[in-house]
Amino acid sequence: DAGVIQSPRHEVTEMGQEVTLRCKPISGHDYLFWYRQTMMRGLELLIYFNNNVPIDDSGMPEDRFSAKMPNASFSTLKIQPSEPRDSAVYFCASRDRGYGYTFGSGTRLTVV
Amino acid sequence: GESVGLHLPTLSVQEGDNSIINCAYSNSASDYFIWYKQESGKGPQFIIDIRSNMDKRQGQRVTVLLNKTVKHLSLQIAATQPGDSAVYFCAEKSTIQGAQKLVFGQGTRLTINP
Repeated sequence: DAGVIQSPRHEVTEMGQEVTLRCKPISGHDYLFWYRQTMMRGLELLIYFNNNVPIDDSGMPEDRFSAKMPNASFSTLKIQPSEPRDSAVYFCASRDRGYGYTFGSGTRLTVV
Repeated sequence: GESVGLHLPTLSVQEGDNSIINCAYSNSASDYFIWYKQESGKGPQFIIDIRSNMDKRQGQRVTVLLNKTVKHLSLQIAATQPGDSAVYFCAEKSTIQGAQKLVFGQGTRLTINP
């Protein structure tokens, strides 16, 4: 089991550019979560999916953020346009029908 | 003005000693709790969990205690090792407006001194 796979590991982009973060959950897990971690706010839940359907996106900061899950093995988090305050580590996590949340290694985003 | 970062509580213990990390949770309706360990540059890693119908659960070198009366959770690590140095988070699973959320605490940085 390769675990939750996120790409890229690091992303540096200029303000105003579009950024796409990718996540492959553990096979068979039917929940997928996107979290953001910053020194100011700690770990925050942005959005989560159940069986590829977005259930709760109340944590998404604003319309510049969007997330999709076109199939059970892939999800994206997109920021357009990016701003310096979006700089953070973004984690994807997946969960089976029980409660076993597994996190990926994260994507460190720097917007300059 | 100058921004203020998140100042993590810190705990320093001697290698071989036991450590206790505490966490206060917010939602009395939370029914499941998890402790995570996060090492530098890595994602949170599951350590141990406990359901709200239990007050104690033991794993390998770790014990979680749950006191629902005061909404308090603790993680005990026995015979600490250098590899235990990390930030430890408690998380509570709550159902808010029909949506299940895993809400994380601010974290505690544990440092093991040789």
